[in-house]
Amino acid sequence: GAVVSQHPSRVICKSGTSVKIECRSLDFQATTMFWYRQFPKQSLMLMATSNEGSKATYEQGVEKDKFLINHASLTLSTLTVTSAHPEDSSFYICSILHGRYGYTFGSGTRLTVV
Amino acid sequence: GQQLNQSPQSMFIQEGEDVSMNCTSSSIFNTWLWYKQDPGEGPVLLIALYKAGELTSNGRLTAQFGITRKDSFLNISASIPSDVGIYFCAGPPNGTASKLTFGTGTRLQVTL
Repeated sequence: GAVVSQHPSRVICKSGTSVKIECRSLDFQATTMFWYRQFPKQSLMLMATSNEGSKATYEQGVEKDKFLINHASLTLSTLTVTSAHPEDSSFYICSILHGRYGYTFGSGTRLTVV
Repeated sequence: GQQLNQSPQSMFIQEGEDVSMNCTSSSIFNTWLWYKQDPGEGPVLLIALYKAGELTSNGRLTAQFGITRKDSFLNISASIPSDVGIYFCAGPPNGTASKLTFGTGTRLQVTL
């Protein structure tokens, strides 16, 4: 199966700063990647679908200017949380789609905004 | 949007016991996926179901795709401590080929 590497695994940033999270597909050329957010004791909620070479598609209620997604190559998608605030503290997880229903998830990034 | 409700929300069981959990939807799904998430990790696929009525096993795990296509079940036999984690059902809502909707999750804790 496909292997997905997500980095960093944990990050602490000050309120008002920006933080970038990387999602790499190590052995599969992923035209589509997904970004999820998971608050403590809750389920995964899809934030956006990242398409290589085009603009990401955001889910309703997700601010595209706050969560910048770049999918410039078939192996890398990045999520930048801009002007982070404490309420953005969460567990962010990426996944790639390979084949029809083959989803492989990264190991997640724990973001804490202080 | 479509919701996937899982039951029970959490459960404590003793090692060696069998576990059953289910996932229900207000609308039809054409694919059901069951994932396990360990603390601080991303979800890992356990079983995929593609056809109504399908029963599929993966070791001690067995999952079924409900006949109505609005539910699915996961059973774990002879639980062991490493079964601890959160189990999610998921599926692409009807009409969306690729996006996944996740269930509310069932948190499993196994005591010795």
